[in-house]
Amino acid sequence: EADIYQTPRYLVIGTGKKITLECSQTMGHDKMYWYQQDPGMELHLIHYSYGVNSTEKGDLSSESTVSRIRTEHFPLTLESARPSHTSQYLCASGRGGSGNTIYFGEGSWLTVV
Amino acid sequence: AQKVTQAQTEISVVEKEDVTLDCVYETRDTTYYLFWYKQPPSGELVFLIRRNSFDEQNEISGRYSWNFQKSTSSFNFTITASQVVDSAVYFCALGLTGTASKLTFGTGTRLQVTL
Repeated sequence: EADIYQTPRYLVIGTGKKITLECSQTMGHDKMYWYQQDPGMELHLIHYSYGVNSTEKGDLSSESTVSRIRTEHFPLTLESARPSHTSQYLCASGRGGSGNTIYFGEGSWLTVV
Repeated sequence: AQKVTQAQTEISVVEKEDVTLDCVYETRDTTYYLFWYKQPPSGELVFLIRRNSFDEQNEISGRYSWNFQKSTSSFNFTITASQVVDSAVYFCALGLTGTASKLTFGTGTRLQVTL
């Protein structure tokens, strides 16, 4: 069982608002990830981090930004939410090294109206 | 580039039936890792299994079993005596070395188990 937590689980917000999705893990994992998933669709990597002060863009372009100031914390921010940002955002983490298992949080469902 | 194909979009079975979910992957790397995750209606992804490319031994865990065949680039997942609680979307994923363990996911197979 993985200890990775996301808040909020559900959020409905108006267009133009700034939002931050929180993600924390207590496993001391070096690597953390954000995936985006539209309902019923596959997951796409939007951000990842090798460790503190390291952030990289994923395979799917996203207007969101991330930061990694502490090992356990990897928040995702949208400066100005739009309806096209409506999706589920899944945070994940894994140990350093290749091929290690990645564990996911419960996801944050974002609806922008 | 790597790719994962789950050709079965949706499968419906009656409880106690066996069901196999197919996964075919593409990669030019000789070392890679394969995963299965379960996504119940609540949305979280639950890790089921991890396999590296050097280990073709099949695995059984309770009602779950996995068949890894490098010759056909397949990593299929079988649920024996399915139960309603098995209803979920199942994702197969491929991870490569030296890529920060980023995963490439298939499009998922939705399994519906009815009474």
